[in-house]
Amino acid sequence: EIVLTQSPGTLSLSPGERATLSCRASQSMSSSQLAWYQQKPGQAPRLLIYGASTRATGTPDRFSGSGSGTDFTLTISRLEPEDFAVYYCQQYDGSSVTFGGGTKVEIK
Amino acid sequence: QVYLVQSGPEVKTPGASVKVSCKASGYTFTDHYVNWMRRAPGQGLEWMGFIGPIAGNTNYAQKFQLSVTMTRDTSTGTVYMELTRLKSDDTAVYYCARWTDSINAFDVWGQGTVVTVSA
Repeated sequence: EIVLTQSPGTLSLSPGERATLSCRASQSMSSSQLAWYQQKPGQAPRLLIYGASTRATGTPDRFSGSGSGTDFTLTISRLEPEDFAVYYCQQYDGSSVTFGGGTKVEIK
Repeated sequence: QVYLVQSGPEVKTPGASVKVSCKASGYTFTDHYVNWMRRAPGQGLEWMGFIGPIAGNTNYAQKFQLSVTMTRDTSTGTVYMELTRLKSDDTAVYYCARWTDSINAFDVWGQGTVVTVSA
């Protein structure tokens, strides 16, 4: 099973700042297997990025994903008030799905 | 519009079972696997397993092998998740989600069902 480790656990930033979230896999994986989700309190998760770097329908272009092998990054170029939430990376290796522990982006 | 609509909140006592439903609409039910996840208070998302819509084939996470059963009714486009021998740490919000092969991701989620296990 591929273990995903997200860092930092919490990111305290102000609106307008840049956010950089990390997701590290326990073994090398295909970029096509990596997705990012956003979850706000009281809501279901929402798909943001798939294939490590492709924005899902409706995802603003201030969100970008990158990376390969074991290291993946979600970047929010300029934080908007609605971006403060928890973010998860997720992978499927053909037999099981795993999620990272999540990064909470909070208002500083 | 594509939707997954889940059943309402449940309160159960330890040792009981719970069955949560997830009704699909707006797409061809047999085209997508449905997965179940949960999020316990203060925790992250945890994958429980999936069910194939045509054959009803299942794949459960090892942690849930002995306690979860997923079924589907193709006539109504509904998937069910039953969790048995409930314990207090099964208290969580349970989500169903549609898997789309072409993007390797969960692109549609149910609204979530709160399951509370308390004596």
